[in-house]
Amino acid sequence: EVQLVESGGGLVQPGGSLRLSCATSGFTFSKYSMNWVRQAPGKGLEWVSYISSSSNIIEYADSVKGRFAISRDTAQDSLFLQMNSLRVDDTALYYCAKIRNAKWLVDAFDLWGQGTMVTVTS
Amino acid sequence: EIVLTQSPGTLSLSPGERATFSCRASQSIISSYLAWYQQKPGQAPRLLIYGASNRATGIPDRFSGSGSGTDFTLTISRLEPEDFAVYYCQQYGSSQFTFGPGTKVDIK
Repeated sequence: EVQLVESGGGLVQPGGSLRLSCATSGFTFSKYSMNWVRQAPGKGLEWVSYISSSSNIIEYADSVKGRFAISRDTAQDSLFLQMNSLRVDDTALYYCAKIRNAKWLVDAFDLWGQGTMVTVTS
Repeated sequence: EIVLTQSPGTLSLSPGERATFSCRASQSIISSYLAWYQQKPGQAPRLLIYGASNRATGIPDRFSGSGSGTDFTLTISRLEPEDFAVYYCQQYGSSQFTFGPGTKVDIK
């Protein structure tokens, strides 16, 4: 089955760190660029970060630049998001998302996980 | 960063009616790299349209997308009960991918 399963979310204090994971299955992970997208409670979607299939191109939203780091491990077929210096406004459901076409660097997101919740509170 | 504006914020319609959503970009989106997603409560977003006008796999033909440059439209020709949801546009033509704020379609 083609799927993405996020994990690693939880409750953390401001200034703390978390590492999110996204386990993939059912497709050739190494061929696809991947993304993290978040959604604060009751709010819209916010793109967070992008990594190309070979990890040579990485992009971040301005809101997380310098604090978050995206990475991937082909041996584990997994995507990661290291989140440092967390703030209250980082509280959200974090989704990993796969791009549609492996031949392209960028494309729409055709596969999403169910998300992992990150709550930053004192 | 390209800012996307969606209108209206909420659309109240009845099943069988036609729904039209607008997405406007603050600058031209290259190669029509514009997508539309549907999200229902408690669910992950689902890709409907990519490249401004191409239906994703398994999407019914009552969904159609159009537009180029800075103005894009999603149309649902006849609303089915399962179409009541929130719809987001997204651009992926610049290094900072952005989503619009969404349009909610609720039952009139």
